[in-house]
Amino acid sequence: QVQLKESGPGLVQPSQTLSLTCTVSGFSLTSYHVSWVRQPPGKGLEWMGVIWTGGSTAYNSLLKSRLSISRDTSKSQVFLKMNSLQTEDTATYYCARGAEIVMPTFDYWGQGVMVTVSS
Amino acid sequence: DIQMTQSPASLSASLGETVTIECRASEDIYNGLAWYQQKPGKSPQLLIYNANSLHTGVPSRFSGSGSGTQYSLKINSLQSEDVASYFCQQYYDYPWTFGGGTKLELK
Repeated sequence: QVQLKESGPGLVQPSQTLSLTCTVSGFSLTSYHVSWVRQPPGKGLEWMGVIWTGGSTAYNSLLKSRLSISRDTSKSQVFLKMNSLQTEDTATYYCARGAEIVMPTFDYWGQGVMVTVSS
Repeated sequence: DIQMTQSPASLSASLGETVTIECRASEDIYNGLAWYQQKPGKSPQLLIYNANSLHTGVPSRFSGSGSGTQYSLKINSLQSEDVASYFCQQYYDYPWTFGGGTKLELK
């Protein structure tokens, strides 16, 4: 069955770099795109960026200067790196699969990983 | 960026009631709109895409409508398992953006 699972540090110091991994199973990264979406505590959702089936990427312009998304198709993993973290980057970070029927929507989500930015 | 404004921010309704949640886009998004349900402590789940198409496995009491800049999600005959937050998402243009959410509680 389709699964996505995020992993990474729960605590990051301000100004440091966040590195997260999304490990997927049940589908191929060359057939479905994967996005990263984050949610600050008690707040709404923010789309961060996407890696398409061909490996190209698109980013939220608000984060573009700090964000990088890449993948390793042989390991079925998608990576997020975001630098210069601040306290406002504290959030639950989700990876989500693009739905087959309408690609810019998300039909499967990971459980999320809570990241706290604090010294 | 296209701004998505949801209303109301919170809503209290009784079992069996019909509930409507609104989502307004800052410009025409040509039905490029999805709705998600997020239960407490869980990940979002896709309910509706293309403004009015029901995702596989979603109960038929959920429906979506609208066009242009105005869209709505309707829940008929509210059930206890519908207690959740609901988010709209536009995907007409980058960056894909979400509404602020509507928290639905039982009265």
